[in-house]
Amino acid sequence: AQSVTQLGSHVSVSEGALVLLRCNYSSSVPPYLFWYVQYPNQGLQLLLKYTSAATLVKGINGFEAEFKKSETSFHLTKPSAHMSDAAEYFCAVSLYSSASKIIFGSGTRLSIRP
Amino acid sequence: EPEVTQTPSHQVTQMGQEVILRCVPISNHLYFYWYRQILGQKVEFLVSFYNNEISEKSEIFDDQFSVERPDGSNFTLKIRSTKLEDSAMYFCASNGGQGAQGQPQHFGDGTRLSIL
Repeated sequence: AQSVTQLGSHVSVSEGALVLLRCNYSSSVPPYLFWYVQYPNQGLQLLLKYTSAATLVKGINGFEAEFKKSETSFHLTKPSAHMSDAAEYFCAVSLYSSASKIIFGSGTRLSIRP
Repeated sequence: EPEVTQTPSHQVTQMGQEVILRCVPISNHLYFYWYRQILGQKVEFLVSFYNNEISEKSEIFDDQFSVERPDGSNFTLKIRSTKLEDSAMYFCASNGGQGAQGQPQHFGDGTRLSIL
């Protein structure tokens, strides 16, 4: 069975500081991994995806994530936080990118301090 | 960029009533999904749909739920007799056009369902 664990339900960083949101996954087969972002009262927007190509994945808005099989992790980072990054971030796993359900983590709310 | 659209954005319904949530997936996509997010909780998978039939459903998707693709563009979720605990945000998603492998699911903005 697949699962995703996000460490920290709430992360607060200063504007300009490094953002690090942690995600660990469990999967019996090589997974597809995603990070989605949800702004208040909006839907889920894909930030980036890992589909067994490069282990360092670059996404939109300056975010990137690194797939580390040995650590079963897929942490999300951004070198310099911006006020507009405040949102809920969801790590997710799927067996295949189509025709398969996505299992979401419980989410991490990112707050940015001025 | 094409997007998944959902209507209505907010639905208020009396307990016991039937409700239909509507979605228009991206036009060349072949796989369709419904998820729900109870306030303050994680997003949960409900059902996936392909080739006019359910591919997979979760334990949440019991007999009160049904899905349908009534025409070439709409994808609906029906809740037959709503309960208070059905109050949630419901998201529709789609993926899988040509060269489907590696395509992530695209989500709509959701329908907030409030059961009174």
